[in-house]
Amino acid sequence: EPEVTQTPSHQVTQMGQEVILRCVPISNHLYFYWYRQILGQKVEFLVSFYNNEISEKSEIFDDQFSVERPDGSNFTLKIRSTKLEDSAMYFCASSRGPTSGEETQYFGPGTRLLVL
Amino acid sequence: GENVEQHPSTLSVQEGDSAVIKCTYSDSASNYFPWYKQELGKRPQLIIDIRSNVGEKKDQRIAVTLNKTAKHFSLHITETQPEDSAVYFCAASDPLRGNNRLAFGKGNQVVVIP
Repeated sequence: EPEVTQTPSHQVTQMGQEVILRCVPISNHLYFYWYRQILGQKVEFLVSFYNNEISEKSEIFDDQFSVERPDGSNFTLKIRSTKLEDSAMYFCASSRGPTSGEETQYFGPGTRLLVL
Repeated sequence: GENVEQHPSTLSVQEGDSAVIKCTYSDSASNYFPWYKQELGKRPQLIIDIRSNVGEKKDQRIAVTLNKTAKHFSLHITETQPEDSAVYFCAASDPLRGNNRLAFGKGNQVVVIP
């Protein structure tokens, strides 16, 4: 069964550094998402992406964040200048579409980001 | 935006007993309600979902009920087994209006005692 994959599984970075988190969504899926989970808190929506553009973003997704689909398989989340509070588990997800019957989101295993 | 609350935060049950986890949501427009199971160190896995046009859905030992009037939905696990021990997350979204962002509850730690 196809799965969403994410790399790296863990990332440690210094405050102010740029990080890129990578995801390979399920191949026939058209919608892609990033969520994050700060330790002990809820899973929070960051952004959704469809047809090579952002379809929705949350208030968390400020100018420090960007997403890109650089080729036909990868979907990336970039944090330009990391802050301590960006430390979290970042999950990528994908779905076939947004409409009824297609909206199930399949999650990747996550990238644990630690900002020092 | 949508706010999803989940209770209790931790639930311990004897093997073979039933477990019930309840979630409430705030946005009456939400119409899609998935439940995810996350074992330690693994990805969240969808275990069951329900859409607002039905009140109940079952899949073997797992069932979900939805009360749209009260804006709450519940996960029922019958004949619990040790492998049911995990964190369970409920979520809500409104894909019928093109809003597919999932609003998650905080999660329930379910512990099945052998």
